[in-house]
Amino acid sequence: DVKVTQSSRYLVKRTGEKVFLECVQDMDHENMFWYRQDPGLGLRLIYFSYDVKMKEKGDIPEGYSVSREKKERFSLILESASTNQTSMYLCASSLGQDRGPAYFGPGTRLTVL
Amino acid sequence: GENVEQHPSTLSVQEGDSAVIKCTYSDSASNYFPWYKQELGKRPQLIIDIRSNVGEKKDQRIAVTLNKTAKHFSLHITETQPEDSAVYFCAATMNTGFQKLVFGTGTRLLVSP
Repeated sequence: DVKVTQSSRYLVKRTGEKVFLECVQDMDHENMFWYRQDPGLGLRLIYFSYDVKMKEKGDIPEGYSVSREKKERFSLILESASTNQTSMYLCASSLGQDRGPAYFGPGTRLTVL
Repeated sequence: GENVEQHPSTLSVQEGDSAVIKCTYSDSASNYFPWYKQELGKRPQLIIDIRSNVGEKKDQRIAVTLNKTAKHFSLHITETQPEDSAVYFCAATMNTGFQKLVFGTGTRLLVSP
């Protein structure tokens, strides 16, 4: 059974804190993605990775960084959390160069106070 | 910038009716168009996708049509059932590879018994 897991379902952090969100997939997928989902805005791509140590910016990379040291793991880092980063964060993965996200994780609802 | 417009934002139908959700895109080079279903409180699921060399694709009760000239694509659900109730998102590539999708803002479909 296909599985994408995320380290936390709910997270509360304070402004200025460094935040790590982790995503793991067990399907040997090359592509991994980080999206944020906000009401009325749909899903917006923050970063994606098509291979270990490779990353590309999405539409809204400002204030975020990513790390992919192993194929199965893709981390999203908020260097200095701000209140406008309060959101639902979704990780996803897929196989092959010819498709976008196929399997999503359960999401992490991050609140920055 | 590139965008995907999705209509309607909400759609209510009676069980057994058909439902149609339409999306328009701005980039004529877009070549991959997936649809996702997100039930309340759950992760998005890829339900069907279509590529630019195909005009229509069917999978049981769902179908997607693509009109490249008019730059729009639609999701058709026939014989709707209450379990079809969810938010549906369309997406399109934006001339930067299959992995970078731009999403529509979603359609909330409610199927009443």
